[in-house]
Amino acid sequence: NAGVTQTPKFQVLKTGQSMTLQCAQDMNHNSMYWYRQDPGMGLRLIYYSASEGTTDKGEVPNGYNVSRLNKREFSLRLESAAPSQTSVYFCASSEPGGGGTEAFFGQGTRLTVV
Amino acid sequence: AQSVTQLGSHVSVSEGALVLLRCNYSSSVPPYLFWYVQYPNQGLQLLLKYTTGATLVKGINGFEAEFKKSETSFHLTKPSAHMSDAAEYFCAVRLSGGYNKLIFGAGTRLAVHP
Repeated sequence: NAGVTQTPKFQVLKTGQSMTLQCAQDMNHNSMYWYRQDPGMGLRLIYYSASEGTTDKGEVPNGYNVSRLNKREFSLRLESAAPSQTSVYFCASSEPGGGGTEAFFGQGTRLTVV
Repeated sequence: AQSVTQLGSHVSVSEGALVLLRCNYSSSVPPYLFWYVQYPNQGLQLLLKYTTGATLVKGINGFEAEFKKSETSFHLTKPSAHMSDAAEYFCAVRLSGGYNKLIFGAGTRLAVHP
């Protein structure tokens, strides 16, 4: 049972380059999320998708775009990477369920922008 | 808006000692509350959650947490620390009423000494 799968696990980009982080879940969840984790700041929500066909901004959306390709997949795109986007990125999924359901997380993508 | 505050970014205990990690939340409506654990270079794993009902919640690995509405707290405890408990712990809140976003605290890194 794979759960939430993120690719790649590691990436180094030069400033100004673009890339897409991929995320897929096999739990048939409706909601998916992208977070970034920085030391001392916990996890901050970048974008989320409450259900297929919808996306909404989180706390720190600037510099990112997302696509909810289908129910399984939710990708995060950096159009022009900046050093401030060096971080660990986590994808998660959950059922909406009135709020009491937990989110399941992928293993993370460690991104360095030089 | 809801928020989560974790008191103490680093906590150090001796093996066999009580573990107490503090979490306070702010919310104008009844919240759903979660504790997650993150081991080095891994994703987040759910320890326990409070939805409704009993305010003392038991989780995996001997951890438990008590929801205290009057104190807006959800502190995590374990009677006797083990070396394997060394990790980073995150408290998170989600509002009731179908609001999907999980908001995380900044995290507490637990060190366990022999």
